[in-house]
Amino acid sequence: EVQLVESGGGLVQPGRSLKLSCAASGFTFSDYNLAWVRQAPKKGLEWVATISYAGSGTYYRDSVKGRFTISRDNAESTLYLQMDTLRSEDTATYYCARRDSNYWYFDYWGQGVMVTVSS
Amino acid sequence: DIVLTQSPALAVSLGQRATISCRASQSVSISRYNLMHWYQQKPGQQPKLLIYRASNLASGIPARFSGSGSGTDFTLTINPVQAGDIATYYCQQSRESPDTFGVGTKLEL
Repeated sequence: EVQLVESGGGLVQPGRSLKLSCAASGFTFSDYNLAWVRQAPKKGLEWVATISYAGSGTYYRDSVKGRFTISRDNAESTLYLQMDTLRSEDTATYYCARRDSNYWYFDYWGQGVMVTVSS
Repeated sequence: DIVLTQSPALAVSLGQRATISCRASQSVSISRYNLMHWYQQKPGQQPKLLIYRASNLASGIPARFSGSGSGTDFTLTINPVQAGDIATYYCQQSRESPDTFGVGTKLEL
């Protein structure tokens, strides 16, 4: 059974940093592209970042470029999102998601972790 | 960015057909591949993949769910609607980066 379990969320002040983790199991981690998708309270879904299966390719939405870094440890089957210079508009539930290799839909999602940016 | 337009809410009756639409601001099809996908999200839960590439049922999803469309116009159909289907439904395109989602259609009784 595919499982994605996020951790590392919490309350953080604007301008500070936070690092999210996503522990994966139930599939060959190094075979898949992975992503972070977020959802602000009572809002819709918003793609944040994608990393290729080997970690050599990373892609970000414009609003987080230069502030967020997606990375992965294939030996540990873990995905990360380093979030720096956080803003109030980054407040959201962050989901880790597995991406289909060919058509780029999100076929499995974690349960999500809440990040609140507030003073 | 490709904008996906969905109606925010749809009122349905149990046992009836529900049709949820998603219109893209430009084509999301490449050759015969329609890069539009549908997700279901129940309150307090993560999204779940229902339909991929416009019309393909994801693993474990009941046949009451179906998808159709091409180019810019896509539809998710639930027939018949059951109580457990009350949720918000999102479309997503992967034709062009950045991936974008519709605002979601909340299915209401």
